[in-house]
Amino acid sequence: GAVVSQHPSWVICKSGTSVKIECRSLDFQATTMFWYRQFPKQSLMLMATSNEGSKATYEQGVEKDKFLINHASLTLSTLTVTSAHPEDSSFYICSSGRVGGFRASGGADTQYFGPGTRLTVL
Amino acid sequence: SQQGEEDPQALSIQEGENATMNCSYKTSINNLQWYRQNSGRGLVHLILIRSNEREKHSGRLRVTLDTSKKSSSLLITASRAADTASYFCATGQLLDSNYQLIWGAGTKLIIKP
Repeated sequence: GAVVSQHPSWVICKSGTSVKIECRSLDFQATTMFWYRQFPKQSLMLMATSNEGSKATYEQGVEKDKFLINHASLTLSTLTVTSAHPEDSSFYICSSGRVGGFRASGGADTQYFGPGTRLTVL
Repeated sequence: SQQGEEDPQALSIQEGENATMNCSYKTSINNLQWYRQNSGRGLVHLILIRSNEREKHSGRLRVTLDTSKKSSSLLITASRAADTASYFCATGQLLDSNYQLIWGAGTKLIIKP
């Protein structure tokens, strides 16, 4: 199956610093990637949809200036948590579907998820 | 974004028994997907059922979809201790021409040996 990687898998940072998380599709091109965050014992929350070559679409309540998303190529999307604070500590997961599946079938049939990045802000 | 609802929130059964989890949603969908997540690990896609399908099988998994009731069920037959995990449903929806996944809160399944 398709592989999506994330880097780093775990990061600890001081409050006020910025952290960049990378999401890569290793063996397919992805025009769309999704970023999620998950609080302990809670379900995933969609943060934003990252679109290659254009601005990301953010969900209601997600601060676009705090969570900067860049999708510069068909294989890489980055999420930068700017001026991180302890409440930003969470598990961040990206996912992606295959190019072509969206228009051919009316929807991305399968989402491939990265392993996640655990962010701890001290 | 609207979230689907899953029930039960938690389920504990004996190994060998069947486990059934349900998922309800509120809007029209393109597909519905079930995922599994072991504690501290990434999500694993289990099965996808399209909106024009009613039932799908994969090994010990059986998924049904009732679009008139806006609900789906995941049945795991002959459960094993290794099936212990959290199970999430997600609906694939087209919103303003953008495809998005809307997730349920998940069901925590515990299989007792």
